[in-house]
Amino acid sequence: KQEVTQIPAALSVPEGENLVLNCSFTDSAIYNLQWFRQDPGKGLTSLLLIQSSQREQTSGRLNASLDKSSGRSTLYIAASQPGDSATYLCARMGGRRALTFGSGTRLQVQP
Amino acid sequence: GAVVSQHPSRVICKSGTSVKIECRSLDFQATTMFWYRQFPKQSLMLMATSNEGSKATYEQGVEKDKFLINHASLTLSTLTVTSAHPEDSSFYICSATGRLAKNIQYFGAGTRLSVL
Repeated sequence: KQEVTQIPAALSVPEGENLVLNCSFTDSAIYNLQWFRQDPGKGLTSLLLIQSSQREQTSGRLNASLDKSSGRSTLYIAASQPGDSATYLCARMGGRRALTFGSGTRLQVQP
Repeated sequence: GAVVSQHPSRVICKSGTSVKIECRSLDFQATTMFWYRQFPKQSLMLMATSNEGSKATYEQGVEKDKFLINHASLTLSTLTVTSAHPEDSSFYICSATGRLAKNIQYFGAGTRLSVL
């Protein structure tokens, strides 16, 4: 069974801190690994997509890395802001091009 | 970027009624559409995959007779929850991929279904 695990489940940090969210997956045969943001009661916002041939992607204060051999991805958020508070989901795209989602990390950035 | 429209965004219905959710790709041809479900405080789980013009492929544990999926055109897929019950209350979200970018899924905004 393909599984995606995210650690920690919840995280609370003061504003300005740099933080790392972790994602691990059991099947390294992936097309890509994606990170999404989900605000309470809302849909998904795509943050970063790393193709299987890539090692990392950057967008603004966000940097995501991918290590297929170890089945791990990290999302690094620099200089966190209260507006970053949300649930962050990672998802792997496998052979059928469907996404398998992790359970998410609930981030709270305190002003 | 590609846009996927999902309608309605919110549905409240009585137990036993059927609810139809539409998912449209507005500016590209969606060769494959996916339907996901998210229960409160849980992550998204794939329900089914549908390719245009063919029957949907359902994930294990998802009743195909209860969750009817139609993907009759390259821009529209519908999910009908038949005889909805309170345990069907959930957040349903669709996504679509096109011919040119099969490894990228574009998501709708989701539908929150509440069955009384």
